[in-house]
Amino acid sequence: QVQLHQSGPGLLKPSETLSLTCTVSGGSISGYYWSWIRQPAGKGLEWLGLIYSSGMTNSNPSLGGRVTLSLDSSKNEFSLKLTSVTAADTAVYFCAREGYCNDGTCYSTYWFDPWSQGTLVTVSS
Amino acid sequence: EIVLTQFPATLSLSPGERATLSCRASQSVGRYLAWYQQKPGQAPRLLIHDVSKRATDTPARFSGSGSGTDFTLTISSLEPEDLAVYYCQQRSNWHVTFGQGTRLEMK
Repeated sequence: QVQLHQSGPGLLKPSETLSLTCTVSGGSISGYYWSWIRQPAGKGLEWLGLIYSSGMTNSNPSLGGRVTLSLDSSKNEFSLKLTSVTAADTAVYFCAREGYCNDGTCYSTYWFDPWSQGTLVTVSS
Repeated sequence: EIVLTQFPATLSLSPGERATLSCRASQSVGRYLAWYQQKPGQAPRLLIHDVSKRATDTPARFSGSGSGTDFTLTISSLEPEDLAVYYCQQRSNWHVTFGQGTRLEMK
């Protein structure tokens, strides 16, 4: 069963860069799309961006180009960097898998399963 | 960007009752609509994808319907463990959006 485990600092100061890594266990990172999603306390879900196992990326334009996504297939992990953070970036951050593979052929879906447990990142001076 | 609007914001029902949650898209998403359940302190869990296909381990009391811009998640007979926030989600042109959620409370 595929599981996603996040790592990264939970406390940042304004203007710093948020860096999170999501490690995939129980399955391969290849052939799937990997997304980052966040949730401020008491609020809804915001998609940040995705990276395909080939390295193709796409991110939410509302973040103004602050997002960088990368993937290391040798380590079965992918990463998020969010620059110039402010208090508005305080949220629980999730990583999630998108896609479906069967008999060696993989397909893009659009829905996310599974998700990581989430990491609270707080931006405060 | 496609905006998903969920209503009602909060639904208060008793165990055994039927729950109907709605999700309306600002433009057609075809059948590319998913539903998630998020319990307090947990990550969202996929319930339904492609409007009406239940994910693995989703109980049969959950069903989805709709197409185009109007979608419904129905819980046929509420169980106490269904207390959660429910989100709809779509992706169009590689841009993902979620609805703002419907909170399901138990009376």
